Amino acid sequence: AQKVTQAQTEISVVEKEDVTLDCVYETRDTTYYLFWYKQPPSGELVFLIRRNSFDEQNEISGRYSWNFQKSTSSFNFTITASQVVDSAVYFCALHYPGAGSYQLTFGKGTKLSVIP
Amino acid sequence: DTGVSQNPRHKITKRGQNVTFRCDPISEHNRLYWYRQTLGQGPEFLTYFQNEAQLEKSRLLSDRFSAERPKGSFSTLEIQRTEQGDSAMYLCASSSLAQPTAKNIQYFGAGTRLSVL
Repeated sequence: AQKVTQAQTEISVVEKEDVTLDCVYETRDTTYYLFWYKQPPSGELVFLIRRNSFDEQNEISGRYSWNFQKSTSSFNFTITASQVVDSAVYFCALHYPGAGSYQLTFGKGTKLSVIP
Repeated sequence: DTGVSQNPRHKITKRGQNVTFRCDPISEHNRLYWYRQTLGQGPEFLTYFQNEAQLEKSRLLSDRFSAERPKGSFSTLEIQRTEQGDSAMYLCASSSLAQPTAKNIQYFGAGTRLSVL
């Protein structure tokens, strides 16, 4: 069975602070993909990053960085120098090709509030 | 590219009525997905199409739900005899087989919010 756990339900930070959103996943498969999506109040899920299970390199994109650690089954997301526009719900998701399935399994999300 | 488009954005209906939602995927995306999202939860998979073929259905997709993608372009999701428990955001996503670097990345629309009174 696949499962994604985002233990932090809500986080509030003051603008310019760094913040890390945690994601822990469970899968028996050796080949899988991990994703992060952002859902602003408008409702549309915005794709941020995809990482495959064979690539444990950390990635940085502007103020965003991701730390993938297979040993702890974690794929954490850090926002550096947070801004008010970062306020949204962030979802971690898992896809394993497995038996030809293409569905994403999402965590419950972490609501991030950045206070000016 | 225009993004995934969903209509209507909001739908209010009375219990027992039928409702239909439409999703227009990103042009030339051959895969299309439907998800349901309730308050405070992540999206849950409902069903998936590759071109016009419906290849995967979740147990969440009860007999009252039906989805179609007749010409492999837009898709509709119909809920018959709506119940209050059907109140949720219905999200559509699409992805491309043809672009190796973007393969399996699902791009989402803004959703249709259904309220069943």
